[in-house]
Amino acid sequence: DIQMTQSPSSLSASVRDRITISCRASQSVRTFLNWYQQKPGKAPKLLIYAASSLQSGVPSRFSGSGSGTDFTLTINSLQPEDFATYYCQQTDISPWTFGQGTKVEIK
Amino acid sequence: QVQLQESGPGLVKPSETLSLTCTVSGGSVTIGSYYWSWIRQTPGKGLEWIGYIFHSGSTNINPSLKSRVTMSVDTSKNQFSLNLSSVTAADTAVYYCARVVAGWPKWFDPWGQGTLVTVSS
Repeated sequence: DIQMTQSPSSLSASVRDRITISCRASQSVRTFLNWYQQKPGKAPKLLIYAASSLQSGVPSRFSGSGSGTDFTLTINSLQPEDFATYYCQQTDISPWTFGQGTKVEIK
Repeated sequence: QVQLQESGPGLVKPSETLSLTCTVSGGSVTIGSYYWSWIRQTPGKGLEWIGYIFHSGSTNINPSLKSRVTMSVDTSKNQFSLNLSSVTAADTAVYYCARVVAGWPKWFDPWGQGTLVTVSS
């Protein structure tokens, strides 16, 4: 199975900060990499698909980049509603696998 | 817009079979553009993809669970289902259903709200 490793596991940030979350795959997943946001007690919500495509309805302060094994999720000007846990997921090679998550907390 | 809703027992005894159903509203499970998937989440292992089913009945199951998982689709009820046999405490999790784009690239959207299943005697 492809291992997805996110870093950091958690971070503290302030409103209006710019943050980046990294996701590394144990082998190339080309650009078949998705990002999800999860709030406590809720299902994950799709933010970014195919590494850099913004899902409809998701604010433009979210962006994704990368290909192969290294990917980044960036949130520009962090908003109060962005404090959540973020997961990457590869859908290139079955079984599809998720990263362990990055929790974004308020500083 | 499409919505998914999981249903099923919240408590299952060890060695028994966990059975869940996902009801799809606002869209049809027979649309060929999508797969219908199950995912589970535990504090220890995080998010784990269980598998998907196509409206034709074809499936792709995670090899780690393949020996215990069966999936089915009921097009007349616009539902798809998961059966996980011989459960243990390690199968205690929040179970989600989700729609998956069948083409390339693939992504999971939307998700159901999730249902907690506890395995305990």
